[in-house]
Parts: sequence; C-alpha cells; structure tokens
Amino acid sequence: GESVGLHLPTLSVQEGDNSIINCAYSNSASDYFIWYKQESGKGPQFIIDIRSNMDKRQGQRVTVLLNKTVKHLSLQIAATQPGDSAVYFCAEATKGDSWGKLQFGAGTQVVVTP
Amino acid sequence: DADVTQTPRNRITKTGKRIMLECSQTKGHDRMYWYRQDPGLGLRLIYYSFDVKDINKGEISDGYSVSRQAQAKFSLSLESAIPNQTALYFCATASSGDWNFNEQFFGPGTRLTVL
Repeated sequence: GESVGLHLPTLSVQEGDNSIINCAYSNSASDYFIWYKQESGKGPQFIIDIRSNMDKRQGQRVTVLLNKTVKHLSLQIAATQPGDSAVYFCAEATKGDSWGKLQFGAGTQVVVTP
Repeated sequence: DADVTQTPRNRITKTGKRIMLECSQTKGHDRMYWYRQDPGLGLRLIYYSFDVKDINKGEISDGYSVSRQAQAKFSLSLESAIPNQTALYFCATASSGDWNFNEQFFGPGTRLTVL
C-alpha cells in the first residue's frame, strides 16, 4: 500500500542566531553518539561525535552536549548561516553485538531565515 | 562524498521487476552498509558487511538481498520490487582499522520509485 510520510520536527532559526537541536536516546548502554547533516539531494555528512565518557565536545562552530542521566544529546550551532539549512540526524552505537552499527533518530529539519 | 559512489542515482521501475543498486568505494574501508530512508523515519539498516565474507541482516532485510563482490563493492538487490520499497537508498562505509570505526561515510544516494 501507499506509505504516508511523517513530518519532521522543524527548527526555524534566524541567520546569525544560535541553533540548538535536541535528540533523546533510549539505550542507556549506548557508548558512542554522532551527528550528521543531510542537505537536500545529498547523503548524510559527519558533523561531530562524542563518546559516553565525555559530556561535551566542540568543533568548528558546533558543540555536542551529552547528558547520560536523562539520555539526551544536543547539537549547538553558533551563528547559524544559510548553509546550515538541512536535516540533522543523531545516531548512537552500543558495544556488544551492535558495535559498529548506528541507530539513527528521525531527524530535525533546520530552516535558516534571513 | 565522492569516495563512495552509487549507481544508478535515480531509477523508476515496475512492480515485480528485479532491481540492483550498486555501491563502490575507493576509501579502502572493510565495512559497508545499505540503508533505506523514508520521509520522517530517518535511516534504517537493511544489510551490512564487515568484510568480504561477512554478510549480516539489518532491521529491515525482508525483500532485499546483497552481494559483496569485492572489498570495494557492495550491491543491493530487490528480487521482486513492490511499491512500498519506493525510497531513498544509501550506501555507507567504515573502517575497522580506524580508532573511530563507528563513523560511517555515506554515498550520494539512489532514489528508487516502484510503480
């Protein structure tokens, strides 16, 4: 039968403002987390990652925060630019049988307005 | 990422046809993956291969098969395509030799439409 698409959560951000994209994960045993950016018509591209023994990691204009107590991950983008408009995915990996495999979230659409 | 290529980029086919999607990589990675992306559902793992002789089912393998012809090539087949296999398909690679072997590198995707 015909599938019905789900609407992605959308974050609308004004150019120059900071963006915060949130991700909740369910597996308390997850050991590795990664953020990907997917622009229209392209494959996902790596942004930043973090291991469970850290609670913060910074890259160029991006920061990932990990709160293991509430199983929450966030991606902060400083001074958001039009080129940051994309869908952002978080993903996690767990040691054991699933190590080396990523479990992806549904994604958040970021729209940067002038 | 130009190091991971997928062919074809777009394909329209009819119900019941056999379809093969191909993935090639020049990264020298040993691990390869096939994902399916549907609107609002993120990426779901179809099959993965940790080396040439290792093939594993992912969470949605029914209706699909794969072949790892060489370390650099991993193809996905739909034996008898059905309309609900209409989706965007991504190949990805990773290296077990890297300190961060969980980081996967994605191809540009294949948009498949089954009528």
